[in-house]
Amino acid sequence: DTGVSQNPRHKITKRGQNVTFRCDPISEHNRLYWYRQTLGQGPEFLTYFQNEAQLEKSRLLSDRFSAERPKGSFSTLEIQRTEQGDSAMYLCASSLPGENYGYTFGSGTRLTVV
Amino acid sequence: RKEVEQDPGPFNVPEGATVAFNCTYSNSASQSFFWYRQDCRKEPKLLMSVYSSGNEDGRFTAQLNRASQYISLLIRDSKLSDSATYLCVVNRGAAGNKLTFGGGTRVLVKP
Repeated sequence: DTGVSQNPRHKITKRGQNVTFRCDPISEHNRLYWYRQTLGQGPEFLTYFQNEAQLEKSRLLSDRFSAERPKGSFSTLEIQRTEQGDSAMYLCASSLPGENYGYTFGSGTRLTVV
Repeated sequence: RKEVEQDPGPFNVPEGATVAFNCTYSNSASQSFFWYRQDCRKEPKLLMSVYSSGNEDGRFTAQLNRASQYISLLIRDSKLSDSATYLCVVNRGAAGNKLTFGGGTRVLVKP
């Protein structure tokens, strides 16, 4: 499978618990992005990596959120002390460098905080 | 004001009809533009890039008006399978190829 892979597909967690999601991008894509999408809204940017360097983080990314891409390949997004407002679809995308390329998205991880 | 704005719809379209909708963007420095399609509870998928001279891909035509800062998408001969949410997407051209998404326009094609 040469697409973007995300795991798990669904996660239900109790408020206050920590969760971690994984994204495996397309192998030749050096840029990796995390977005969050809630019902009826478009995806909102959270953070992005070029290779292993995290180059930008959105204000949406509170200190409870952390993302890593340790070897410039897969990435993880961790949410600590989850809140009900964190319930959303978390989308990972990757792209080639350059502004004329669109993204390839993974299927997303749907988080429900109860 | 949101950076990319779209009419959320829904646009109810008879099968075989033509439908068109726009989105507006606020940053005049935006460099590249896309339309993505998103089916219910699925990830967004790139439908087409939008070029300055306008471009077609089969039944889909995209136009860009830089002076008025809007992008349009026209779907001809609508199929039931065209029912989806269409996301307008803008790249500001800043470092990182970061894309900004509109809220989407929902299209429902009915028999």
